[in-house]
Amino acid sequence: GAGVSQSPRYKVAKRGQDVALRCDPISGHVSLFWYQQALGQGPEFLTYFQNEAQLDKSGLPSDRFFAERPEGSVSTLKIQRTQQEDSAVYLCASSALVDTQYFGPGTRLTVL
Amino acid sequence: GQQVMQIPQYQHVQEGEDFTTYCNSSTTLSNIQWYKQRPGGHPVFLIQLVKSGEVKKQKRLTFQFGEAKKNSSLHITATQTTDVGTYFCAGREASGTYKYIFGTGTRLKVLA
Repeated sequence: GAGVSQSPRYKVAKRGQDVALRCDPISGHVSLFWYQQALGQGPEFLTYFQNEAQLDKSGLPSDRFFAERPEGSVSTLKIQRTQQEDSAVYLCASSALVDTQYFGPGTRLTVL
Repeated sequence: GQQVMQIPQYQHVQEGEDFTTYCNSSTTLSNIQWYKQRPGGHPVFLIQLVKSGEVKKQKRLTFQFGEAKKNSSLHITATQTTDVGTYFCAGREASGTYKYIFGTGTRLKVLA
């Protein structure tokens, strides 16, 4: 596709459930970022991939959060044992290197 | 850790008035990006500034990067209703990190 896509667009989970959020970056983009955006706040960095290598995961809030990009294209953000404080919009962005970031539409996660 | 603050948090202007948002980083930046996010949408890249003292213009928008590379501003001349949204700056530290830290954002409302 022409842009970054994310799925699902909306996810409702019961507290304690595991969730997996998918990001399809722009074809050929080397860099991929994951962000968490709470209501009324700016995006907060979670992790960064360059191709398949996860070069920075300093923003992952706990060991319940895990991200992968095994073939250097599609990426998955997994959250285990979801908590209410995990409710947010999860944004994925890709870029050719580390410049213009093209954001996907996001996945809105609601944990009940 | 690095912090990026923006002021003001909110701004209401009459259509045709000018608008400015300011971005201040606690650390020296290698570059700064500006994004616009419409209500319910995702961040859309506007511009990137790299050089100390750099000024760039896009039609009615003027972007500046401070001499010390710790602050930036976005000025919109003669606002239009299409300018409504939240404007975020995002800075990358000069230490070689891949991580972008987003500012707190300025929400702009334009009254017709």
